[in-house]
Amino acid sequence: GAVVSQHPSWVICKSGTSVKIECRSLDFQATTMFWYRQFPKQSLMLMATSNEGSKATYEQGVEKDKFLINHASLTLSTLTVTSAHPEDSSFYICSPRRASGSSYNEQFFGPGTRLTVL
Amino acid sequence: KQEVTQIPAALSVPEGENLVLNCSFTDSAIYNLQWFRQDPGKGLTSLLLIQSSQREQTSGRLNASLDKSSGRSTLYIAASQPGDSATYLCAVPNFGNEKLTFGTGTRLTIIP
Repeated sequence: GAVVSQHPSWVICKSGTSVKIECRSLDFQATTMFWYRQFPKQSLMLMATSNEGSKATYEQGVEKDKFLINHASLTLSTLTVTSAHPEDSSFYICSPRRASGSSYNEQFFGPGTRLTVL
Repeated sequence: KQEVTQIPAALSVPEGENLVLNCSFTDSAIYNLQWFRQDPGKGLTSLLLIQSSQREQTSGRLNASLDKSSGRSTLYIAASQPGDSATYLCAVPNFGNEKLTFGTGTRLTIIP
């Protein structure tokens, strides 16, 4: 398998503040990063896709100015929730895709970050 | 647009029983299908990846089958254990962009 880490694992912040979530692929290089959001008792919903060194592509309904994604290296991507509001409270999960091999390889996921906005 | 459904939404079985989880997809033109488990408050753990050319894949007590023509996959868990309690998700990648479409999930509880 592949080792993916996320930091922090959980965060509580006040409404209006910004929160940065880091995702690292520890034992492989990832040209593509998928960011998902999961609300309680629901499945994962893709928020955006980023390629290393390029701007992210956001899914319909996801505000790109609110959810800033940076994929500056092959092992690190960050998601910043700007001016967070209580409705942004959710579980955020990253999924890096390997740089080598078939494009339809097995997908691996980070352990997730629980964001609670007060 | 691909839609993935999992039935049942929740399942409780006594420890030791064999069980089957179901996954259905509407577009049979898939490259592969992946099964995951998710423990409460945790990320996803990949269980099995079954390619479109394969009919089944096995890993320990888990066996996944794939019938592309009928748009179905099953995950068979043998001799269930309390540690198998989790939510199980199936997912298929979309053609062209490789984004995963997830199923609705089955919440499995193994009763000791």
